[in-house]
Amino acid sequence: ETGVTQTPRHLVMGMTNKKSLKCEQHLGHNAMYWYKQSAKKPLELMFVYSLEERVENNSVPSRFSPECPNSSHLFLHLHTLQPEDSALYLCASSQGLSGRSYEQYFGPGTRLTVT
Amino acid sequence: GNSVTQMEGPVTLSEEAFLTINCTYTATGYPSLFWYVQYPGEGLQLLLKATKADDKGSNKGFEATYRKETTSFHLEKGSVQVSDSAVYFCALDQTGANNLFFGTGTRLTVIP
Repeated sequence: ETGVTQTPRHLVMGMTNKKSLKCEQHLGHNAMYWYKQSAKKPLELMFVYSLEERVENNSVPSRFSPECPNSSHLFLHLHTLQPEDSALYLCASSQGLSGRSYEQYFGPGTRLTVT
Repeated sequence: GNSVTQMEGPVTLSEEAFLTINCTYTATGYPSLFWYVQYPGEGLQLLLKATKADDKGSNKGFEATYRKETTSFHLEKGSVQVSDSAVYFCALDQTGANNLFFGTGTRLTVIP
């Protein structure tokens, strides 16, 4: 595997379910990101991790819970979601934190549908 | 604050037509500017970037010039192909920030 991978690619869940999204980067990067992509809206940054420490949390509801056990893996744990949470969730990684012109590499995303 | 404004889409062009997608930005200081492309079913990929005023980024026939006086970074290509059909995102990267600021994206469809 190369680059940034995400699993699953598609997920349908009910509002009472608990599920997790997984992201893995094979690039030796130190920073990882979760974004939410909804139709007709700019990408929304959700969380940023640098060297496994969370450095940004953009007022994301507590029903989204990130976890970064090591610099190669990032999870997004989901519980009691709402239909408006249906979106494409993108993971990205970079050598260092953006703000120093480090390019972000994106995974293919997980298409989440909440029913 | 920081923001990016892209031209509304969708844009539909015939093959070999000239492409311009406008992007303007608001930022303090001297941000770096990027164009990302998202092909169907995939994540975003960096297309080109420019890190200072008057720099020109280029890749795969696409070009964009960092214009500080007009706070713009318009994407151009002289002759588009069907394979260029995708969504294009303008973004900026502010020193001291931990993230990129993205525009809303512009969907391009190229027809044979």
